Amino acid sequence: AQSVAQPEDQVNVAEGNPLTVKCTYSVSGNPYLFWYVQYPNRGLQFLLKYITGDNLVKGSYGFEAEFNKSQTSFHLKKPSALVSDSALYFCAVRDRAGANNLFFGTGTRLTVIP
Amino acid sequence: GAGVSQSPRYKVAKRGQDVALRCDPISGHVSLFWYQQALGQGPEFLTYFQNEAQLDKSGLPSDRFFAERPEGSVSTLKIQRTQQEDSAVYLCASSSSNRGRTAYGYTFGSGTRLTVV
Repeated sequence: AQSVAQPEDQVNVAEGNPLTVKCTYSVSGNPYLFWYVQYPNRGLQFLLKYITGDNLVKGSYGFEAEFNKSQTSFHLKKPSALVSDSALYFCAVRDRAGANNLFFGTGTRLTVIP
Repeated sequence: GAGVSQSPRYKVAKRGQDVALRCDPISGHVSLFWYQQALGQGPEFLTYFQNEAQLDKSGLPSDRFFAERPEGSVSTLKIQRTQQEDSAVYLCASSSSNRGRTAYGYTFGSGTRLTVV
């Protein structure tokens, strides 16, 4: 079975400070991991993905995420938060050997305070 | 097209009414997925097509839900005899993989917000 946990419903951070949005996953095999962002009344926008190779993945808008196999984590990070980063963030996983669809976490709402 | 297009953007249905939601994937994308996103939740998988073949419908919550993609491009998700618990945003995604298993990005549409009253 596949699952994703985003332990924080809400993360608040001051503008200019570093941000972290946490994600842990569970798959039977090796994972493909994704981060998406959702703005109000919009679909999901792709930020970055881990497929293989370097554990540190860089994505859109200055975001990055680090794949940690031993901790089964894929935390999203950004060195300096912008007010415009305020949105709902979803982590998703796919088992390489399993089904084709993505399993999503419940989302973390990020608020960047000016 | 440039992205995944879904229509209508908003749909209000009376309980018991049938609805049809449309998804236009990116041209040439082989894989198409439907997800249901309830308020305050993450998207949950409903069904998957590879071209016109529906390869996985394990996420459809009941036999009132039916999806098709007859020509391998546009897809329609139909919900019969809608119930209040069907109220959600229905998201469509497409992917360019030409195999059953894809590691590539999934491009999502903006969704259809269904409200059953």
